[in-house]
Amino acid sequence: DVKVTQSSRYLVKRTGEKVFLECVQDMDHENMFWYRQDPGLGLRLIYFSYDVKMKEKGDIPEGYSVSREKKERFSLILESASTNQTSMYLCASRSPRGGSQPQHFGDGTRLSIL
Amino acid sequence: DAKTTQPNSMESNEEEPVHLPCNHSTISGTDYIHWYRQLPSQGPEYVIHGLTSNVNNRMASLAIAEDRKSSTLILHRATLRDAAVYYCILAKSNAGNMLTFGGGTRLMVKP
Repeated sequence: DVKVTQSSRYLVKRTGEKVFLECVQDMDHENMFWYRQDPGLGLRLIYFSYDVKMKEKGDIPEGYSVSREKKERFSLILESASTNQTSMYLCASRSPRGGSQPQHFGDGTRLSIL
Repeated sequence: DAKTTQPNSMESNEEEPVHLPCNHSTISGTDYIHWYRQLPSQGPEYVIHGLTSNVNNRMASLAIAEDRKSSTLILHRATLRDAAVYYCILAKSNAGNMLTFGGGTRLMVKP
């Protein structure tokens, strides 16, 4: 079974801090994704990466950056955390073989910015 | 991008079949129909997907209308553990595409 592991289930940080959310997958997937999930808004894509050192902006990239130095690891960075970035963050990975391949999600990191 | 429309919520009795509908009238010919579900405090979990033909797996069945403008996820015998939010999503056939999640259907299962 595919395993997508997010480094923390719960995280509390302060406004202005630099925050790193880490995600690791064990299936050698090329594609990796970061979403945030907020009540009433569903899941929204922040960034995705289709290979090492490659990244593309999703629907809401403002205030975020990403890093993909190794195939199995995709990091989301909040350069200067703000309270409106309090949310559930979900990482996913998939094989790049087109729309027939499902995404596999981690269990999420619930981030609170105080 | 093609969008999907699902009811906000549905109720079912335990051990009865559940039919979760999804409308996707602007689907393109190469879009796959994916279903995911999300249990409380967990990330979304893949359930099933299809292109044109009906599909069955150990979790559920997917019935796709002949014109592909709608589909139905079928849980054959609902259990309390099936209570979750179910998302119907269209996935482009090109590699590296992203999934766009809407609001989904919250399924409540009564004992």
